Amino acid sequence: QSALTQPRSVSGSPGQSVTISCTGTSSDVGDYNFVSWYQQHPGKAPKLLIYDVSKRPSGVPDRFSGSKSDNTASLTISGIQAEDEADYHCCSYAGSNTWVFGGGTKLTVL
Amino acid sequence: EVQLVESGGGLVQPGGSLRLSCAASGFTFSSYAMNWVRQAPGKGLEWVSSISSGTSSIADSMKGRFTISRDNAKNSLYLQMNSLRVEDTAVYYCARDRLTVLGDWGQGTLVTVSS
Repeated sequence: QSALTQPRSVSGSPGQSVTISCTGTSSDVGDYNFVSWYQQHPGKAPKLLIYDVSKRPSGVPDRFSGSKSDNTASLTISGIQAEDEADYHCCSYAGSNTWVFGGGTKLTVL
Repeated sequence: EVQLVESGGGLVQPGGSLRLSCAASGFTFSSYAMNWVRQAPGKGLEWVSSISSGTSSIADSMKGRFTISRDNAKNSLYLQMNSLRVEDTAVYYCARDRLTVLGDWGQGTLVTVSS
């Protein structure tokens, strides 16, 4: 049950695109297409952004997109906006009714 | 509308116990697996435990100290935490399991373990 690996921080100017990676193993990210991403503003609960690697819940803007290759999942935010400044967490199903999260990535909008 | 409301957090001394509750509404509680996830101050999210209709799972670091349970008649989820350590200090969230994603979260309850 080792945590998934995310960069601690990323940054970009408004309008730019940023990508956050999430690296796991062949027992979690590499074995299941059940990767999700959450956005969390300070003092708030996590909000679901992406599930099943690349699906967006209703209401999430299409500038948020997800993908996966082998043991690494990625979240791309196209045309970042000031309100996107937040922490982003990835999560993967790890089998036997267990889940594993990444350490979280802080996005700074310059 | 799905609602999950955690309660029971507070300040407890190392070695002490605490029981967290999560009141669920807006969906058929008995049909879903439920989870606890925690977040230590300034840290990432950490999965704690999961319970479905017949089985439960718990993170290795909490085995033997934490126990998850549910009361479907009361639409409630619980987490019994014993032998608490300073490093258990965190916000504890309950989350509804939608098979492939932890899709709905409560607002969390803060547990502080300190002398």
